[in-house]
Amino acid sequence: QKEVEQDPGPLSVPEGAIVSLNCTYSNSAFQYFMWYRQYSRKGPELLMYTYSSGNKEDGRFTAQVDKSSKYISLFIRDSQPSDSATYLCAMSGGSNYKLTFGKGTLLTVNP
Amino acid sequence: DVKVTQSSRYLVKRTGEKVFLECVQDMDHENMFWYRQDPGLGLRLIYFSYDVKMKEKGDIPEGYSVSREKKERFSLILESASTNQTSMYLCASSPKGLAYLEQFFGPGTRLTVL
Repeated sequence: QKEVEQDPGPLSVPEGAIVSLNCTYSNSAFQYFMWYRQYSRKGPELLMYTYSSGNKEDGRFTAQVDKSSKYISLFIRDSQPSDSATYLCAMSGGSNYKLTFGKGTLLTVNP
Repeated sequence: DVKVTQSSRYLVKRTGEKVFLECVQDMDHENMFWYRQDPGLGLRLIYFSYDVKMKEKGDIPEGYSVSREKKERFSLILESASTNQTSMYLCASSPKGLAYLEQFFGPGTRLTVL
């Protein structure tokens, strides 16, 4: 079983839709959970991160972590064409510098 | 504006050639990383460095080496390039402490080995 599983999609939605992106993981030592966004022909950039279980909101984006189920989600409300990108989940145990990334989900928001 | 730069956006090399990929960051970050990104496999860590002259193997170090002689520069070396090393190579940097969670990535180098 891979440490981090993420459905690669692709996911195509109309503008204004609510988008749900998800990852599952197997390593109980993970404590920090991140979402990175990668536009075409660019490097990934950090969107938001959460520590342990719970929710975190930043504008149209909400990150959720359920450690009991080893399941994390990113919700995008009122999706825009500018949200079209690959979204990568990433996780860390906090004891070293290493991040473990999911494979990424390609999202397209159609005008 | 913080920046991680990579020496080339596109590179074509022949099998058996020695290949150098250079990465420079201007943020005075302690940590630097080399990843490769392949369709269906995602981002995989090759090597990272947490200080000058220090390096640690990532998940797929075979066939690669690295050098960090200065804090701002981290080089990835393919000693004898092979076709299975055709990939997108991404460099990243991050500060020490908990801020390491935010890695800053360069634009990537697409390497083709013929």
